[in-house]
Amino acid sequence: DAKTTQPPSMDCAEGRAANLPCNHSTISGNEYVYWYRQIHSQGPQYIIHGLKNNETNEMASLIITEDRKSSTLILPHATLRDTAVYYCIVRVLFLGQNFVFGPGTRLSVLP
Amino acid sequence: ETGVTQTPRHLVMGMTNKKSLKCEQHLGHNAMYWYKQSAKKPLELMFVYNFKEQTENNSVPSRFSPECPNSSHLFLHLHTLQPEDSALYLCASSQDSRKLAGGDEQFFGPGTRLTVL
Repeated sequence: DAKTTQPPSMDCAEGRAANLPCNHSTISGNEYVYWYRQIHSQGPQYIIHGLKNNETNEMASLIITEDRKSSTLILPHATLRDTAVYYCIVRVLFLGQNFVFGPGTRLSVLP
Repeated sequence: ETGVTQTPRHLVMGMTNKKSLKCEQHLGHNAMYWYKQSAKKPLELMFVYNFKEQTENNSVPSRFSPECPNSSHLFLHLHTLQPEDSALYLCASSQDSRKLAGGDEQFFGPGTRLTVL
């Protein structure tokens, strides 16, 4: 079972920041938070991951709360091509642990 | 382009047919994965191979038979499938499925859309 909860859907205006929340209240100290997205009829695409500190790359920023029980993925300037299902995943840090995808958040970027 | 290719992209087969799905990765990775994504369901992990050895079979029915001849290629052999097996089958690769540090992100192919009649 997925260890995260996300809203099923969100809308965002084109050009505005999209803030996608994720709750992972049972996260343990050695679990990373990963974000993937899946554009319709394509394979999932890795976005970003983090452990404790906030992270930023060319695609997005990841903000993790101090207690690590929730996080937010930020797309700073959403475009129509960012319309996708976004998955928040926590992954235990031991041998052989695999990714468990939940239902994710369907983000619709509106013109 | 993620460096992971899958063929065919679409496949229609009868319940008595035998077919194979192919996945190839050009990333120098050592781990490869098969996932199933049914309509309106989350991705389900099916098989994991690491350095050509199968390390996980997620209770997949025997009508699905994986094969990993080398670290770059992964096959999924299909026989006597059922209509409920119709789904998007996704292949992924990563550097090493046993990697202890975070950052072992998986790169996915575009998938094969399978329809079983």
